[in-house]
Amino acid sequence: IAGITQAPTSQILAAGRRMTLRCTQDMRHNAMYWYRQDLGLGLRLIHYSNTAGTTGKGEVPDGYSVSRANTDDFPLTLASAVPSQTSVYFCASREDRGSNQPQHFGDGTRLSIL
Amino acid sequence: AQSVTQPDIHITVSEGASLELRCNYSYGATPYLFWYVQSPGQGLQLLLKYFSGDTLVQGIKGFEAEFKRSQSSFNLRKPSVHWSDAAEYFCAVGGNNNDMRFGAGTRLTVKP
Repeated sequence: IAGITQAPTSQILAAGRRMTLRCTQDMRHNAMYWYRQDLGLGLRLIHYSNTAGTTGKGEVPDGYSVSRANTDDFPLTLASAVPSQTSVYFCASREDRGSNQPQHFGDGTRLSIL
Repeated sequence: AQSVTQPDIHITVSEGASLELRCNYSYGATPYLFWYVQSPGQGLQLLLKYFSGDTLVQGIKGFEAEFKRSQSSFNLRKPSVHWSDAAEYFCAVGGNNNDMRFGAGTRLTVKP
C-alpha cells in the first residue's frame, strides 16, 4: 500500500543525544515536510523540501536539520536533543509544492527527551 | 501571516446528533482550505478540501464544509454523528507553497 513510513514509532532519549527520525514515501511525491504536534498548538512546520536536493526552514526549525538526498527519503535529525523537543513528529508529502493536492501524513513518531 | 483559529478545544455530542466544528482563517490571498481527522496514535487523514468553485464541499465519512469568504470561515458539519467519529479534527489553510498552517485542533467526544 502506497504511503509514508516513519520510524521509529516511539523513542525515549536522553538529553544531549543525537537522534534521527526516518521518513520514507513511495508515492514519488516531490514535496516533503516535517511537523511537530504539541497539545494546544496543532501542527507546526519544522522543515520542508520541495524536491530532492533542496530543503527549507519552516516555522520552528531551531535544533533540527534535514536532508533530501533522493525523492523517497527525508530524515529529520536532532543533533543534541533537549527536553523541549519532546513531541509527536509527523512526516508528510504531497505531489508538488505548487500542487493543490493535500498533504499525506505518516503515523508519527512519539519522542520523549529525558 | 496566515493563521487558523479553531475556537472549540473540545466538543461533546450525542450519537445521532448533528455536529458543527468551527474554523476561522486569516490569509492574504484566495485560500486553500482543508479539514483533517486524526484518530489516536495515527496520522492525519484528509476529510475534504476547498480550492475554488462551489462553496459547499463534500468529503468522506459524510462530512461537509462550507466556505464563507465574508466570515473567513470554513466550518465542518455532519448531520448525524456516529461513535466512530470521535477523534481530533484539524482545520488547515494555505497549500500553494510551504505556508500551510494548522489550527490547534478540536477534540470530539461522542456520547452513546
